[in-house]
Amino acid sequence: ETGVTQSPTHLIKTRGQQVTLRCSSQSGHNTVSWYQQALGQGPQFIFQYYREEENGRGNFPPRFSGLQFPNYSSELNVNALELDDSALYLCASSSRDTTYEQYFGPGTRLTVT
Amino acid sequence: AQSVTQLDSHVSVSEGTPVLLRCNYSSSYSPSLFWYVQHPNKGLQLLLKYTSAATLVKGINGFEAEFKKSETSFHLTKPSAHMSDAAEYFCVVSDDNFNKFYFGSGTKLNVKP
Repeated sequence: ETGVTQSPTHLIKTRGQQVTLRCSSQSGHNTVSWYQQALGQGPQFIFQYYREEENGRGNFPPRFSGLQFPNYSSELNVNALELDDSALYLCASSSRDTTYEQYFGPGTRLTVT
Repeated sequence: AQSVTQLDSHVSVSEGTPVLLRCNYSSSYSPSLFWYVQHPNKGLQLLLKYTSAATLVKGINGFEAEFKKSETSFHLTKPSAHMSDAAEYFCVVSDDNFNKFYFGSGTKLNVKP
C-alpha cells in the first residue's frame, strides 16, 4: 500500500508568482484535503475535494484553488504569492466511508521571497 | 462555528509519569474530535477519534481521551510517558460531515529521562 506523497519537497518562489503543489492519495482513497501550516502553528484547513469537486473550504481567499483528477490525485494552486504564504503545505487523503481518518503526506515547504 | 483551544503550548514530564494534554472545544452542534501527533520530520498521524460513540476513547500507543460535554473538553492522557512520546500533539474538531477540520495550535510534549 502506497502512502500519501507530495511534490516537490521544497520550493522557493518570488512574491507575485504562481505555484502548483501536487499530491498523490493513498491507494483506495477518494477524498483529499489541503492544509497550510505556518511555522510554529497548527495546520489550517484550506479545502477538501471529493469526486473532483470542492467539498468544503476554510477561510482562504480565492487565489487558493485546487483540482482533483479522476485518479484522485490533487493539485493546490496559489496565485499572486504573498510573503505570508510561506508555510508547509500538507495534503491528506481519506476514503469516503471514513473521511475522518485522514492520512497525511510529508508536506511541501514553500518559501516566498 | 467550530474551534479548539489547546491550553498548553509546552508540557514537560519525566519518563514513566502521567501525561495530560488539555483541549477545549467550541461547536454549535455535537462535535467530532480527534487527536493527531506530529513527530519531527514525520507526517501527522491520527492518535484517536471521538464521533459520538463512547465518551472514553482509546487510541494508539496507550493514549486515551475523554469527551466531557459539560466541560467542553477532550483532554488527552497516558498513564506512563515514554521517551518516544516526545512530539507535537494537535487537537482537532470537524464539522458534522467531516468536510472541514479545525486544528488547535498544538502542544509540544517533552519527555525527560
